[in-house]
Amino acid sequence: GAVVSQHPSRVICKSGTSVKIECRSLDFQATTMFWYRQFPKQSLMLMATSNEGSKATYEQGVEKDKFLINHASLTLSTLTVTSAHPEDSSFYICSAWGAADTQYFGPGTRLTVL
Amino acid sequence: GQQLNQSPQSMFIQEGEDVSMNCTSSSIFNTWLWYKQDPGEGPVLLIALYKAGELTSNGRLTAQFGITRKDSFLNISASIPSDVGIYFCAGQGNPSGGSNYKLTFGKGTLLTVNP
Repeated sequence: GAVVSQHPSRVICKSGTSVKIECRSLDFQATTMFWYRQFPKQSLMLMATSNEGSKATYEQGVEKDKFLINHASLTLSTLTVTSAHPEDSSFYICSAWGAADTQYFGPGTRLTVL
Repeated sequence: GQQLNQSPQSMFIQEGEDVSMNCTSSSIFNTWLWYKQDPGEGPVLLIALYKAGELTSNGRLTAQFGITRKDSFLNISASIPSDVGIYFCAGQGNPSGGSNYKLTFGKGTLLTVNP
C-alpha cells in the first residue's frame, strides 16, 4: 500500500519550453501532496504543498508563476515547469500524505533542460 | 529556521559490519522519520518514530527517538551490499504549532558497503 507514481521518469527539453510532471497516489487518496527538488549530492528541498481543490502553498523563494501546481483530484497532482532553463535541471520528487500520518514518495523525475 | 544535523556525511564499511548514524535538531519534532534513497529513485520510508524515547526495529534496522525530541539514531546490523544508498533523517511537525505535514530533512549519510 501507499504507492506513489510519477510520470515521466525522465525528460529532456529545450530551453524555453514547458514541461508537465504528474504525481499519482495509486492505492490511496491524498488531499495533500508535496513537490520537492533535489540537486546532485544534496538533500530534498520542499518547493510547494499541493492541496486538492485549492491553491498550492509555495515555499519562500519558489516562483509560483514558474512552477505551476494543479491538484485537481484526490489522486493526481501536476507540476508544470514553465519556460524552462538549464538551471531548472534537477530531480523533482513528489510525495503524498497517507497512512501512518506521513509522506510517501514517488520515484522522481529527472529533468534536463538543454 | 529548523535545521537537522546528520552525521556522518558518508561511511565506507565492510559487509557484515554494524552501522550507526544520527541526527540532531535545534527544534523539537512531533515525529522522526528515517528514509533510504537509492540512486535515481525517491526516498523510501524505513522507520517512523512517534513518541519521545521510542525504540523501533524493522528487520536489521533499529531507530530511537530521543527523549528531548531533538535527536534520533539509526542502526543497521550485519550490513549487506544492498544496504548501499543515502539515508536521510527527517523531522515532521512541531508541538509549538505550524504545519504538521512538512518534513525537514537532514543532509543525508552516504553508505557504501564493500562485499
